[in-house]
This record gives sequence, structure tokens and C-alpha cells, in this order.
Amino acid sequence: EIVLTQSPAALSLSPGERATLFCRASQSVSTYLTWYQQKPGQAPRLLIYDASNRATGIPARFSGSGSGTDFTLTISSLEPEDFAVYYCQQRTNWPRVTFGPGTKVDIK
Amino acid sequence: QLQLQESGPGLVRPSETLSLTCSVSGGSITTTTYYWGWIRQPPGKGLEWIGTIFYTGTTYYNPSLKSRVTISLDTSKNQFSLKLTSVTAADTAVYYCASGRESPPYAFDYWGRGTLVTVSS
Repeated sequence: EIVLTQSPAALSLSPGERATLFCRASQSVSTYLTWYQQKPGQAPRLLIYDASNRATGIPARFSGSGSGTDFTLTISSLEPEDFAVYYCQQRTNWPRVTFGPGTKVDIK
Repeated sequence: QLQLQESGPGLVRPSETLSLTCSVSGGSITTTTYYWGWIRQPPGKGLEWIGTIFYTGTTYYNPSLKSRVTISLDTSKNQFSLKLTSVTAADTAVYYCASGRESPPYAFDYWGRGTLVTVSS
């Protein structure tokens, strides 16, 4: 089973700052890596699929990169609504999927 | 635009069966391009995929839950359901139903709001 780890576990930043979140897979997942955003009390929201493709309606300040085992989600300039938990998910054995443990981005 | 809504008991006794239903509106569960899934989240923890069902009825389950999980379609009601047997406190979680497409993004892009199920006597 492919295990995803995310770092850091938590990140404290101010609005307007750049956020860089990491996701590492225990073995190659090619570019089959998805990112979700989850705000308190809400369902997850699809942000990025196949490592670097923004989902419909996702602002350009969100970008994803990486392939193989190392991936990055970047938020170029944090807006107040971006403070949330971010999960990566791999789909190498789709439709079976596994999620990472999440990174919490909170306000400094 | 698809809308999904979970329903079912909020409290289940240990060793009993958890049963949830997801009602779908804005589209048909027999649409060939969609698939349907359940994901759960224990309080304060991360997401865990439970399983997925296609319009054909073909199912895929998380290996760690496979022996206890059944997901099925009810095409007459445009719903799909989850049954999880022999529950314990470890099954206490918010349960989400979600849908995805058999084309990019191959991800869950529509989600229900989630329903909290507590396992307790």
C-alpha cells in the first residue's frame, strides 16, 4: 500500500504570504496526485488533480507541482478564506485511493 | 450540478450495523460517466476512503474495511447506500458520500455535507 506523508503538519502564516505544502509518497505515484481543501465543518473541496491541474473554479493562486514521490501545493498569496486543512490523495490504483494526513494552514 | 445528501442514524450500538443512504439530485446514478463513493473522517482526524461503486454495480473497497463493508445502488430512488457491520467505537466518524467522473479529474468533485455517526452503547 502506498503511504502518503504531508509536511509540515501545521503552518502559521499571515494573509498575503506564500504557502508551500509538501506531500511525499512511499513509492512513485507518477502524477496521480490530488489535493483537497477542507474548512472546519465542511466537506473537502477538490483543488488540484493529476499533480498540477486546477479543478473547475479554483483560483490561479493555487498551483501544484511534482511527479513520482514528491509533490508541492503552493498558494501564492494567502487570502482569508484559504486558512484550512489541505489533504493530498493518490489514485495510482484507481478507483482505490488513499489520503495523506493533512496540513493545517492557520492564521499567524 | 450534482447535489448529494447523506441520511441515516446518528447513533449505532457496538457490534451492530451502520447503514447510511446518499440521495442524489441533479443527475442520475446510472449515468455512465459518474462513480459514487463513501469517505469517512473520525473526529479531529484525516480522511479515509471506504469504497466506490460504479453505475454497473461494480464495487471497490478499502482493504482494511472490505470484510465489513457493502455499498449498493438503488436506481429506483436515485440513491446509493453504505452498510458497515460489527461496528466499534473506532467507526465513529463523519461519513461523506461523494461522486467523481470516469474522466479527468478522476477525483471526488461533488460531496455531501457529511453526517456524524457515533458508535456507543
